[in-house]
Amino acid sequence: LAKTTQPISMDSYEGQEVNITCSHNNIATNDYITWYQQFPSQGPRFIIQGYKTKVTNEVASLFIPADRKSSTLSLPRVSLSDTAVYYCLAELYSGSARQLTFGSGTQLTVLP
Amino acid sequence: DSGVTQTPKHLITATGQRVTLRCSPRSGDLSVYWYQQSLDQGLQFLIQYYNGEERAKGNILERFSAQQFPDLHSELNLSSLELGDSALYFCASSGRTGEEAFFGQGTRLTVV
Repeated sequence: LAKTTQPISMDSYEGQEVNITCSHNNIATNDYITWYQQFPSQGPRFIIQGYKTKVTNEVASLFIPADRKSSTLSLPRVSLSDTAVYYCLAELYSGSARQLTFGSGTQLTVLP
Repeated sequence: DSGVTQTPKHLITATGQRVTLRCSPRSGDLSVYWYQQSLDQGLQFLIQYYNGEERAKGNILERFSAQQFPDLHSELNLSSLELGDSALYFCASSGRTGEEAFFGQGTRLTVV
């Protein structure tokens, strides 16, 4: 079972780039890594998903090194509204079985 | 609005009771996932269904069960409830396994 770990909290200032790293041990070669954003009293919201190397969309980038034992979510030029909890999610395929494991979440606080 | 509908939004019940949580996925989505979020355990994957069949099972207790019906809505049944079952229960849906999942707003269960 893949386990994911991430920092409990991070602070940043508006306009800065924020990088949040998630470590996932024993991730299988065909696992995706997904990142979600969650605001209080709301369900998680998809940010980005990747398998290897680099993925970029309109809100974030995801960097996954060759060994895939970690992934880094990069948020360019954060704003106050980016204050939220960010979760990484590792998907593990084992034959026909599949386990999804969230990290414990990183509370990002963006300061003015 | 993610397009995923969960009912009820809030539920208060006594220990030992049984409740049913309902989820209507986004139109066309075949996969439904159930997650539990509590203060001490964080986000935990419970179970996934794909087009009516169980696809993956996570940290789901034997007292809990789920199913997905022909119209693709899903129900999560929680029985012999304990105080520790108090949590937010999220449902998410996606088109296929591995695709971006969209979360509902959750059902807040309080066991007293």
